[in-house]
Amino acid sequence: DAGVTQSPTHLIKTRGQHVTLRCSPISGHKSVSWYQQVLGQGPQFIFQYYEKEERGRGNFPDRFSARQFPNYSSELNVNALLLGDSALYLCASSLFAGAPGELFFGEGSRLTVL
Amino acid sequence: DQQVKQNSPSLSVQEGRISILNCDYTNSMFDYFLWYKKYPAEGPTFLISISSIKDKNEDGRFTVFLNKSAKHLSLHIVPSQPGDSAVYFCAASGVRTSYDKVIFGPGTSLSVIP
Repeated sequence: DAGVTQSPTHLIKTRGQHVTLRCSPISGHKSVSWYQQVLGQGPQFIFQYYEKEERGRGNFPDRFSARQFPNYSSELNVNALLLGDSALYLCASSLFAGAPGELFFGEGSRLTVL
Repeated sequence: DQQVKQNSPSLSVQEGRISILNCDYTNSMFDYFLWYKKYPAEGPTFLISISSIKDKNEDGRFTVFLNKSAKHLSLHIVPSQPGDSAVYFCAASGVRTSYDKVIFGPGTSLSVIP
């Protein structure tokens, strides 16, 4: 069975541009979360979606947005890119929401902002 | 304010010996704790978890201990193997903070020396 897949794996953008990152969860998983991992730090929660509805948002500016589609895949959008947005963006899926359990992570999308 | 702390950025252990990774948390509303392992160029993978109603959980070579009064948990790996060399993240969540919003520590890089 395929795990969580993310695309693209690497991308380079310049300041002020927009980026869209994509994620396909494990088959049957209805919850998708997005995390940002800056070098030397742990993953930081950005968004969580379940059944196409936003269930949680971390402490990120409005330049960050996301959505979940009927097939449970998800997109993370970042507008007006800043140098500080350079990071590994991780997508994670899980069977349920609102209950303790493990997250299954993809390999991430490495974003470099120049 | 960092709610999950891993004060040792790195740890080196001889193959066959015990590895002990430590984690402290500040938010007493956390009631579910997880450990993830991350290899370079891969997403984090779930290792083991513990609920606050327990003080110990074992899975093969991995054991997690929880001391709620001290807000401290530790991961023991016995015996350590070279393949265990990775970055280990401690993570926490809770019914009052949202199980969907998992808070990660900064990680400890473990090197197991053959």
